[in-house]
Amino acid sequence: QITLKESGPTLVKPTQTLTLTCTFSGFSLSTSGVGVGWIRQPPGKALEWLALIYWDDDKRYSPSLKSRLTITKDTSKNQVVLTMTNMDPVDTATYYCAHSATLLYDPWGQGTLVTVSS
Amino acid sequence: DIQLTQSPSFLSASVGDRVTITCRASQGISSYLAWYQQKPGKAPKLLIYAASTLQSGVPSRFSGSGSGTEFTLTISSLQPEDFATYYCQQLNSYPPFGGGTKVEIK
Repeated sequence: QITLKESGPTLVKPTQTLTLTCTFSGFSLSTSGVGVGWIRQPPGKALEWLALIYWDDDKRYSPSLKSRLTITKDTSKNQVVLTMTNMDPVDTATYYCAHSATLLYDPWGQGTLVTVSS
Repeated sequence: DIQLTQSPSFLSASVGDRVTITCRASQGISSYLAWYQQKPGKAPKLLIYAASTLQSGVPSRFSGSGSGTEFTLTISSLQPEDFATYYCQQLNSYPPFGGGTKVEIK
């Protein structure tokens, strides 16, 4: 059974850097074809894809957010970390990580709400 | 970029109704389309992939069809647990997700 869980701060100040950790079990990020992605959802709004890291350390980023995002993995710890710089109130959202195979996202973590406010 | 446009963005329906949601791609994406269901306060769940293949465990009242630029998600007989928001996702390009369709109780 694959499970994922997001962790990190619930509140960040504008201009700060957000660091979120996705801790997973039930699969290995060293298995060919496997990836972990990050998707966010502002309150009441649609899903927005952020980034994806593959088993071979290939990384993909949302073009509109690429300059602010970094995704890394620690295979030995079964963790994927997403950092987003220069946070703004518009970045307030629930942030999800999800297991990915062939670019499908399944399953997802429960999500973590991050509020950006001074 | 390939844009996905879902319609309607909101629909009101009754239990037992047949419901159809459309997802249109700005360019052809073959059958590289998936559908997700998201209930309030919960993470999205994969329903359908490759436009028409039901994910394991998904009830058979859900079906998907289409290829190229037009796709549909159909719920043959709406059940109380199906009231949710549905998103399409294309696997070809960015941005991957459509804007969502919220299905509410009439």
